[in-house]
Amino acid sequence: NAGVTQTPKFQVLKTGQSMTLQCAQDMNHNSMYWYRQDPGMGLRLIYYSASEGTTDKGEVPNGYNVSRLNKREFSLRLESAAPSQTSVYFCASRGPGGSYGYTFGSGTRLTVV
Amino acid sequence: AQTVTQSQPEMSVQEAETVTLSCTYDTSESDYYLFWYKQPPSRQMILVIRQEAYKQQNATENRFSVNFQKAAKSFSLKISDSQLGDAAMYFCAYRIPSGNTPLVFGKGTRLSVIA
Repeated sequence: NAGVTQTPKFQVLKTGQSMTLQCAQDMNHNSMYWYRQDPGMGLRLIYYSASEGTTDKGEVPNGYNVSRLNKREFSLRLESAAPSQTSVYFCASRGPGGSYGYTFGSGTRLTVV
Repeated sequence: AQTVTQSQPEMSVQEAETVTLSCTYDTSESDYYLFWYKQPPSRQMILVIRQEAYKQQNATENRFSVNFQKAAKSFSLKISDSQLGDAAMYFCAYRIPSGNTPLVFGKGTRLSVIA
């Protein structure tokens, strides 16, 4: 099925460990996004990529890095995980045209202990 | 910076009744897009309805409709004939059409449906 695929769905890390969240879309979308969702905070933008080879910071980029490997894939890396990064992470992509909404992946629940 | 405010953290509605979720936004732009997303317990984000600011007619999708008041910067979602499957978090979101400006989300409203 066409859409956005995120892996893993669940992850537990120890403080200081690193990991990469993977995201891939098969809709030929140019724009891709990483959000985090925390209770009572809605979704906040971490990083986004307008096209292959470009990335920009969002509202809460500290502690994260991203890579737009190709048009399909946009990964999010936590170099040294902290308990404050416990959250649900969503990847999304956007189709052409301004009125298009985003297509979201199913999310990754990350717990840092 | 654009902001989106959902002033109702939680709402409840009786099955088959109608409920309205509120959303206001702050912008100096004249052209923009507004969205309502539903997030059921499965965690999946589902686009419910969208509205282009240049359109005066309110968007409608089956039992879901919006009341878009551009001057008041208000974008409420009305759910008619509420069903148990409507129970979810609902997020209001905004973006401007230029470039690749991302969606800005409100903090969400949790809707409970009472049988």
